[in-house]
Amino acid sequence: DTAVSQTPKYLVTQMGNDKSIKCEQNLGHDTMYWYKQDSKKFLKIMFSYNNKELIINETVPNRFSPKSPDKAHLNLHINSLELGDSAVYFCASSPVWGETGELFFGEGSRLTVL
Amino acid sequence: KQEVTQIPAALSVPEGENLVLNCSFTDSAIYNLQWFRQDPGKGLTSLLLIQSSQREQTSGRLNASLDKSSGRSTLYIAASQPGDSATYLCAVKNFQGGKLIFGQGTELSVKP
Repeated sequence: DTAVSQTPKYLVTQMGNDKSIKCEQNLGHDTMYWYKQDSKKFLKIMFSYNNKELIINETVPNRFSPKSPDKAHLNLHINSLELGDSAVYFCASSPVWGETGELFFGEGSRLTVL
Repeated sequence: KQEVTQIPAALSVPEGENLVLNCSFTDSAIYNLQWFRQDPGKGLTSLLLIQSSQREQTSGRLNASLDKSSGRSTLYIAASQPGDSATYLCAVKNFQGGKLIFGQGTELSVKP
């Protein structure tokens, strides 16, 4: 009964490959996010969707493409992987957009690009 | 541009001590401030959420305060236990864009 679940938890791949990370939340929340945590443990927002609509798109290479088929899912597809993409990617959700909503995080997907 | 700073970066204390973790932010136009805990190799667990209109929140041995005008929050942990060892992150949710901006965390180690 995990609230925010991500798959896969670990991903090891070669440079140049394309990979996807999936995220699902069963909390009935409207808003979902992707965050990236780098090797220095710093968390930075990448994207945010509210009711399947893209709201935040930070300065992220266009090799990263989020897709939200419905408000319970937000997947992250990465093309032409580079060494610098190695990080832990966290999905999160929040009851409402903006304002006062508390964020709930998944357990992360550790991506290693060789 | 909002910046969130956490001091100290790392802290080691003996079991049973009371301790304070500090978080400061540069822009007071926030909806709320949230404290998280992150265990090694794990996701983030929300500990306390303080709305901008509130001064503090308490949960068990944890107490978080918020002084929006001075851009500061503290997380007080009473009677620390080895199980409290983790990285503690604070994050503010900005008015502008509703983004959650994180500090770099304080790595806490509680020695038995």
